[in-house]
Amino acid sequence: ELKVEQNPLFLSMQEGKNYTIYCNYSTTSDRLYWYRQDPGKSLESLFVLLSNGAVKQEGRLMASLDTKARLSTLHITAAVHDLSATYFCAVDDQDDKIIFGKGTRLHILP
Amino acid sequence: DTEVTQTPKHLVMGMTNKKSLKCEQHMGHRAMYWYKQKAKKPPELMFVYSYEKLSINESVPSRFSPECPNSSLLNLHLHALQPEDSALYLCASSRGILTEAFFGQGTRLTVV
Repeated sequence: ELKVEQNPLFLSMQEGKNYTIYCNYSTTSDRLYWYRQDPGKSLESLFVLLSNGAVKQEGRLMASLDTKARLSTLHITAAVHDLSATYFCAVDDQDDKIIFGKGTRLHILP
Repeated sequence: DTEVTQTPKHLVMGMTNKKSLKCEQHMGHRAMYWYKQKAKKPPELMFVYSYEKLSINESVPSRFSPECPNSSLLNLHLHALQPEDSALYLCASSRGILTEAFFGQGTRLTVV
């Protein structure tokens, strides 16, 4: 059974700082997704990572995938308050299901 | 149109009521999903429809009954729910199974 673990689960950081969220998964998978969720809102797709070594960047966020290590990272550069949200990684389990991590609640202090 | 639209946005229902949640997309996506999300928890998959046929039911109680009338619509019929069923219900769609999913805004359901 596929397990997806994120860490940290909660992160409070100052504006302007850099930080990384980690997503580990337990079995082989072809796809990894990163989503953002604001409180009381739906999920917004950020990145889809399809192959080993894939790196995608959008603004201050950069996601990468290492399928051999079964690890994805979401790196935040020079954080700004608007990035405060919960970030989920999700992995497909080869049985047509996408399994979500528990989420990382990111709080950026002005 | 790149949206997944869910109605209603909020719903309060009694334990003896029957209600339905609706989801619509016009992106030509052939896979549609229902997720349940409790506060501060990740979304939990309930049902997956692929080409209008139910392909995954994650052992969801029968008081939740999905329906896919056509490729653009997905319903979730609710009957005899329990207070613990209160949650945010999210609909999503994707081009196919296991491609990038786009989520609707959700229906916040409260069972009293």
